[in-house]
Amino acid sequence: GAVVSQHPSWVICKSGTSVKIECRSLDFQATTMFWYRQFPKQSLMLMATSNEGSKATYEQGVEKDKFLINHASLTLSTLTVTSAHPEDSSFYICSARDARGFTEAFFGQGTRLTVV
Amino acid sequence: DQQVKQNSPSLSVQEGRISILNCDYTNSMFDYFLWYKKYPAEGPTFLISISSIKDKNEDGRFTVFLNKSAKHLSLHIVPSQPGDSAVYFCAAEGGSEKLVFGKGTKLTVNP
Repeated sequence: GAVVSQHPSWVICKSGTSVKIECRSLDFQATTMFWYRQFPKQSLMLMATSNEGSKATYEQGVEKDKFLINHASLTLSTLTVTSAHPEDSSFYICSARDARGFTEAFFGQGTRLTVV
Repeated sequence: DQQVKQNSPSLSVQEGRISILNCDYTNSMFDYFLWYKKYPAEGPTFLISISSIKDKNEDGRFTVFLNKSAKHLSLHIVPSQPGDSAVYFCAAEGGSEKLVFGKGTKLTVNP
């Protein structure tokens, strides 16, 4: 199946610093990528839809200025957690769909963010 | 309001037996349903999907059944194997590319 690579797989940062997470589709082009956050023992919650070449669409309750999303190319989207706080500690996962219209979404391996 | 519900947080079955994971949805606009398998600290892996125009889709040991009138789908795994132990997420979409996920069911297959 298609491969989505997410980097880093885990990161520890200090409060107040910013962290960038990358999501790459390795063998297909993705006009749309999605960013999810998963809290312990809970479902994946969609944070935002990342559109190549345009602004991301954020879900209700997600702070745009805190979670900056950039989708500069058809194979790369980045999520930057700005001025991180301990409550931002979570598991962040990206997904992407093949621009050719296949319906399955493929997920990255996730990033465990811990803010200390 | 939870549009996709997986009411069983966990399920335990014996190796070789059938595992049945259930999922209910409330939004009649959903027209495509997917099952994902997830191990701890990893991203979900696509398993199987079904379109609303079908009532069954089979792929090896995995079969998904869709009952549109009941707004219910189920994933059958037979025979179950210890390697199937994971959290299974039901997801649905309709009209957009956004997937709505259930809370997941943790399956444990005992040797």
